[in-house]
Amino acid sequence: KAGVTQTPRYLIKTRGQQVTLSCSPISGHRSVSWYQQTPGQGLQFLFEYFSETQRNKGNFPGRFSGRQFSNSRSEMNVSTLELGDSALYLCASKEGRHGYTFGSGTRLTVV
Amino acid sequence: AQSVTQPDIHITVSEGASLELRCNYSYGATPYLFWYVQSPGQGLQLLLKYFSGDTLVQGIKGFEAEFKRSQSSFNLRKPSVHWSDAAEYFCAVGAQNTDKLIFGTGTRLQVFP
Repeated sequence: KAGVTQTPRYLIKTRGQQVTLSCSPISGHRSVSWYQQTPGQGLQFLFEYFSETQRNKGNFPGRFSGRQFSNSRSEMNVSTLELGDSALYLCASKEGRHGYTFGSGTRLTVV
Repeated sequence: AQSVTQPDIHITVSEGASLELRCNYSYGATPYLFWYVQSPGQGLQLLLKYFSGDTLVQGIKGFEAEFKRSQSSFNLRKPSVHWSDAAEYFCAVGAQNTDKLIFGTGTRLQVFP
């Protein structure tokens, strides 16, 4: 079974631009979550989706948004990028009472 | 509010030595508990999880963890560390009515030959 696939792996954007990150969960997994990892704040929860519905949202500004498609693939979007948005963005999927399986992440650098 | 504390930021051990990484959590009910490992530039790999039942949980790569409700702890142990175990280790707690995970700040493990 293929793991969680995140694209792209690396991204460099300029302040003020917007970015879209993609996540393909493990086949059959309907639950997808996103996390932001930075050296200063550690791992912070962004969103959780299940069957195209957002079930939880973390404490992030409205510039951060996400969605999930009918095939469980998910995207997250960050608009009006700030330098502080530079981070590793991790996507994870699960099914049932199992721990999340994480992707390798997208490393976003905002310059 | 839920929280996870990993008191040790950095631990150094010799290869072959035993290892214990500490994790304390704050949660009102019986939590779901997890340990993840992260190698540089990589995502998180699940080592083991506790939902209920036997408080001693076996995981991958020879790791185990023990849930102690009285101490609100879920410490990770390995009897003999290998150089390939060098990585960052994260403890996490999950609520029963959501899939959201709260992570600790991580413990960086360095292994000397």
